[in-house]
Amino acid sequence: EVQLVDSGGGLVQPGGSLRLSCAASGFTFSNYWMSWVRQAPGKGLEWVADINQDGSDQYYVDSVKGRFTISRDNAKNSVYLQMNRLRAEDTAVYYCARDPGWGASDIWGQGTMVTVSS
Amino acid sequence: DVVMTQSPLSLPVTLGQPASISCRSSQSLVYSDGNTYLSWFQQRPGQSPRRLIYKVSTWDSGVPDRFSGSGSGTDFTLKISRVEAEDVGVYYCMQGTHWPFTFGQGTKLEIK
Repeated sequence: EVQLVDSGGGLVQPGGSLRLSCAASGFTFSNYWMSWVRQAPGKGLEWVADINQDGSDQYYVDSVKGRFTISRDNAKNSVYLQMNRLRAEDTAVYYCARDPGWGASDIWGQGTMVTVSS
Repeated sequence: DVVMTQSPLSLPVTLGQPASISCRSSQSLVYSDGNTYLSWFQQRPGQSPRRLIYKVSTWDSGVPDRFSGSGSGTDFTLKISRVEAEDVGVYYCMQGTHWPFTFGQGTKLEIK
């Protein structure tokens, strides 16, 4: 079964750090771009970051540039989101997604909640 | 950044009736390869998003054929020919032509 399992969310203080993980199974992970998309409570979807198949190319929404880093380990079939200098406005459910191209994500994880609060 | 504007934001529909959601982009979504990277996603209550349509009008497998996508350039539409109870949720358009990728605000479909 093709599946993505997100993990790593939790409560963190403003200015703190958190690392999200996403474990993929059921498909050839190294063939696909991967994305992180977030959804603040009661709000819409916001694309956060993308990484290409070998990890050499990354793209970010402006609001997280310089604070978040997307990476992947193809040997472990996993993609990560390192989040530093977290702000209250980063509070959201974070989804990883398989991106077969141009953001048209066809497989989504179940999401992991990140709460930034003192 | 490309701004995606959906309308309406709320869509009450009677079961069995058609529904239509508009999505407009602030720039053309035609990529240099000639393709238009506009997708539609459905998010049912309490669930992760699900892709319905990509490249304007291509269905995903398993998506009922009552869903259809159309449009070009900056103007796109998602249509549901006959709304069923399982269609309740929020629908988003998303462009993947220009970085950063951007979503519309979402249209909440409910049964009247």
